[in-house]
Formats: sequence, C-alpha cells, structure tokens
Amino acid sequence: AQKVTQAQTEISVVEKEDVTLDCVYETRDTTYYLFWYKQPPSGELVFLIRRNSFDEQNEISGRYSWNFQKSTSSFNFTITASQVVDSAVYFCALMGPGTASKLTFGTGTRLQVTL
Amino acid sequence: DAGVTQSPTHLIKTRGQQVTLRCSPKSGHDTVSWYQQALGQGPQFIFQYYEEEERQRGNFPDRFSGHQFPNYSSELNVNALLLGDSALYLCASSSRGLGEKLFFGSGTQLSVL
Repeated sequence: AQKVTQAQTEISVVEKEDVTLDCVYETRDTTYYLFWYKQPPSGELVFLIRRNSFDEQNEISGRYSWNFQKSTSSFNFTITASQVVDSAVYFCALMGPGTASKLTFGTGTRLQVTL
Repeated sequence: DAGVTQSPTHLIKTRGQQVTLRCSPKSGHDTVSWYQQALGQGPQFIFQYYEEEERQRGNFPDRFSGHQFPNYSSELNVNALLLGDSALYLCASSSRGLGEKLFFGSGTQLSVL
C-alpha cells in the first residue's frame, strides 16, 4: 500500500521568511514518482514538480527548491523569501509504476504568508 | 490552449438524487481521471478512463460510475446521493504513460442536503 504523510497541517510565516514543507512517503515499489501540487482558493491543483525514484538530484526553480532523500523516504519542499501569493494548500503525492494517473495524496499543508 | 474544464462549478442536490458532472481534458490529452476531495483532506482517486473504458478504480462504491466519449471528454455519475458525497470533485487529464503529470480542473463543488 502507498501512503503519503504531511505532518504539518498549517504553517504561518511572515513575508520574506523561508519555509519548508515536509513530505514523507511509504511504498514497496522501487519505481515510483513524487509530485507537489499547489491548491489556491480557486480549487484548481497546480502542478509544481515531478521526480522519479531514480533521480535524487535536488532541484531549484526560482524561489522553490525540493530535497528528495530516498534513505528517509522524504521529499521536502522549501520556499525561499516567501510572498503573500504563496499562500495556498500544498499537497505532496505519490504515483506507483502500474498506476498511471492514480495519485495518492497527503492531507496537505496550508501555508499562510502575511505582511 | 484551454486547460481542463469542468461543469458545473457548483451543484446542490438532496439525498437520494443522482448527479452528473462533466469534464473536458486539456488539448492533446487522452486520459481522464476523477478525484473526490472532502473538506480539509487530500484528493482521493475515484477512477481513470482511457480509450472510453474504465482502467483503474479506487475504493469507491458502484454508485460512482463514469463514461468517456470519443472526443476524450468524460462524465462522472453518482447515484443515490448521500450526505457524505458532499465534496469537491476534481477532474484531471494527462497523456497515457507512467509518471505523466496530471493537469487538474477547478472542480465541481457538490453539496448534498
């Protein structure tokens, strides 16, 4: 069975602070894919990143960076110099090898960035 | 290039009724999947359609059914509505293949009274 845990229910930061959203996953598959999605109040899930299990390189995209560590089954997401527009619910998700388009989501972390 | 579109945006039904939700995938995508998102929870996979057939199904009862049309658009039908069916229903489209990223619509907010 697959499982994704996002232990942080809600995080509040002041603009320009750095913030890290944690994601821990469980799977018995050796091939799998990890995703992060952002859900603003409009409801649409916005794709942020995809990482396959064989690629442990960390990735940086502007103010966003991701730290993938297979040894601890974690795929953490850091926002540097947060902005009010970053306020949203962020979901980490897992896809197995034989389950195309079936994502197992965590319960999400609500990020509130204030001035 | 239009993304994933869903209709209606909001819907109010009473217990026991039936509902149909609609989804048009992103241009170039042939696979549609549906998710249910209860308040404060992550989306839960309902099922996936490809080549007009249901290919995968999550842990949802037979009251939940779907259809995919030749133009790749899809419908989600829920019969005998329960209060617990109140949720945001999200449609996602993708290309067929492992690890393909999913593009989501803005969802249909269903309220069952």
